Amino acid sequence: DAGVTQSPTHLIKTRGQHVTLRCSPISGHKSVSWYQQVLGQGPQFIFQYYEKEERGRGNFPDRFSARQFPNYSSELNVNALLLGDSALYLCASSPNPRSYNEQFFGPGTRLTVL
Amino acid sequence: QQQVKQSPQSLIVQKGGISIINCAYENTAFDYFPWYQQFPGKGPALLIAIRPDVSEKKEGRFTISFNKSAKQFSLHIMDSQPGDSATYFCAASDSGGYQKVTFGIGTKLQVIP
Repeated sequence: DAGVTQSPTHLIKTRGQHVTLRCSPISGHKSVSWYQQVLGQGPQFIFQYYEKEERGRGNFPDRFSARQFPNYSSELNVNALLLGDSALYLCASSPNPRSYNEQFFGPGTRLTVL
Repeated sequence: QQQVKQSPQSLIVQKGGISIINCAYENTAFDYFPWYQQFPGKGPALLIAIRPDVSEKKEGRFTISFNKSAKQFSLHIMDSQPGDSATYFCAASDSGGYQKVTFGIGTKLQVIP
């Protein structure tokens, strides 16, 4: 079985640009969460989506948005990129929001903002 | 604000030794405490987890010790191996809400032969 997949693997953008990151959850998983991992830090929660609805949001500005599609895949969008947005963006999927021991992370998308 | 404090940030242990990583939390609503292992270029992977109704959980060479009154928990890796070299994150979550996991800063473990 394929794990959580994310695309692209790496991305370089310049300040002020917009970026879209994509995540495909494990088959059968309906919950997707997004995390930002700055170099040398632990991941920080951005969003959780379940059944196409936002169920949780972390302390991130409105420049960050996400959505979940009927096939449970998800997109994370970041507008007006800042240098500080450079990070590894991780997607995690689980069968449902209560499945704490069944949450699996993807390899992440490395975003560099110049 | 750092809700889960982790130490040390780096650790060097000889093969066969015991690796110990400590964490403390502030939010008393946390009721699920996982540990994640992350290798370079990979996402974090769940290693072992504990709930506050038990004081210790062991899985193979990995043991979590939990002290609810002190709001502290730790990971012990027995008989550490070079393949254990990775970054370890303690984390905490409130299962009453949505699936938000709060991570510690991470400990980079190097096991030398």
